Amino acid sequence: DVKVTQSSRYLVKRTGEKVFLECVQDMDHENMFWYRQDPGLGLRLIYFSYDVKMKEKGDIPEGYSVSREKKERFSLILESASTNQTSMYLCASSQPGQEYEQYFGPGTRLTVT
Amino acid sequence: DAKTTQPTSMDCAEGRAANLPCNHSTISGNEYVYWYRQIHSQGPQYIIHGLKNNETNEMASLIITEDRKSSTLILPHATLRDTAVYYCIVRRVLYGQNFVFGPGTRLSVLP
Repeated sequence: DVKVTQSSRYLVKRTGEKVFLECVQDMDHENMFWYRQDPGLGLRLIYFSYDVKMKEKGDIPEGYSVSREKKERFSLILESASTNQTSMYLCASSQPGQEYEQYFGPGTRLTVT
Repeated sequence: DAKTTQPTSMDCAEGRAANLPCNHSTISGNEYVYWYRQIHSQGPQYIIHGLKNNETNEMASLIITEDRKSSTLILPHATLRDTAVYYCIVRRVLYGQNFVFGPGTRLSVLP
């Protein structure tokens, strides 16, 4: 079974704090993704990575950065958290050529106050 | 991307087949139909996808009409654990792009 784990299920941070969200997958997948999910907006892609140290911007990268130092780990960083970054953050992974089948983590519900 | 229309909610008795419809009348020839589901408090889960032929895997079957304007996801023997929101998505390719989930169909499997 593919397992995608995320470091926290719930997180509360203050405006201006630097926030780290960690994602780890155990299936040796090349591709990893970070999305946010908001009611009425579906999932929106923040960043993705198709290899170690490689990253590509998604549709809403502003205010975020990512790090992929190891194949199994993909970190999302909020440089200075703002209240409009309150959301559910979902990490996913997939094999190249099988991007239709993305395996998602359980999500981190981040609240920025 | 083609727009999809799904019923807001459906009920199904445990052990019976659950048939979830999706209309995608503006689908283009190179667009696939994907189905995902999201169980409460979990991340989305891939179920199945297809282009024009019917598809079956260990989770479900996907029936696509000949004109490709609609499709039906079939869970052959629904269990309580299948209670979830089911999303029908029509896209050319998912990689590196928005995973736009509409409201989906909230399926309740009843004992």
